[in-house]
Amino acid sequence: SFELTQPPSVSVSPGQTARITCSGDALPSQGAYWYQRRPGQAPLLVIYKDIERPPGIPERFFGSRSGTTVTLTLSGVQAEDEADYYCQSADSVGTFVFGSGTTVTVL
Amino acid sequence: QVQLVESGGGVVQPGRSLRLSCAASGFMFSGYGMHWVRQAPGKGLEWVGIIWHDGTKAYYADSVKGRFTISRDNPKNTLYLQMDSLRAEDTAVYYCARVNHCTTGDCYVSGMDVWGQGTTVTVSS
Repeated sequence: SFELTQPPSVSVSPGQTARITCSGDALPSQGAYWYQRRPGQAPLLVIYKDIERPPGIPERFFGSRSGTTVTLTLSGVQAEDEADYYCQSADSVGTFVFGSGTTVTVL
Repeated sequence: QVQLVESGGGVVQPGRSLRLSCAASGFMFSGYGMHWVRQAPGKGLEWVGIIWHDGTKAYYADSVKGRFTISRDNPKNTLYLQMDSLRAEDTAVYYCARVNHCTTGDCYVSGMDVWGQGTTVTVSS
């Protein structure tokens, strides 16, 4: 089955850089999406097609890929960035999958 | 503005049924595929299923296949999730989300750009 692997947690001081990885053997090219999930709020799309940023998402959110691993980088982390982050993709035959999620803690 | 509003959640006994609705507004509903996604207490996001813009195709997660059915009424701008044979492990907040940013032309690889606020389903005796 198609699986995406994320680290459970990342801690970062304000103003520093947080990096969240997402690995999957079958991760299709341009097929990674990232969501921010703050407590009590609906998920918010922050990166699509590996590297693209939707309108209104700050430039400090940056997506990249190396092989079958995609990375969400948060530069100049702010307190409001504290949230759970999920990667998501699909297997091209009708199954969609989320990673297990990474909790970003701003120290 | 673009909006999705879920409804129909509640407390239901194991083995019973429940139907969720998702009302769309602010965009051409008939032009977009739609997902259902859920999050159980203390767990991560779990994809439930997808229906194509015209309702001709639908796919489901293995955990709900054969028990849940996704449908849509495009003239009414409404998405549905029929949940039968409910189990305790189906307890979750259920979200509807719009398909967008397709990597493949047929949107078999795509993201979810608009989400509702969710409706809570509790399966308990």
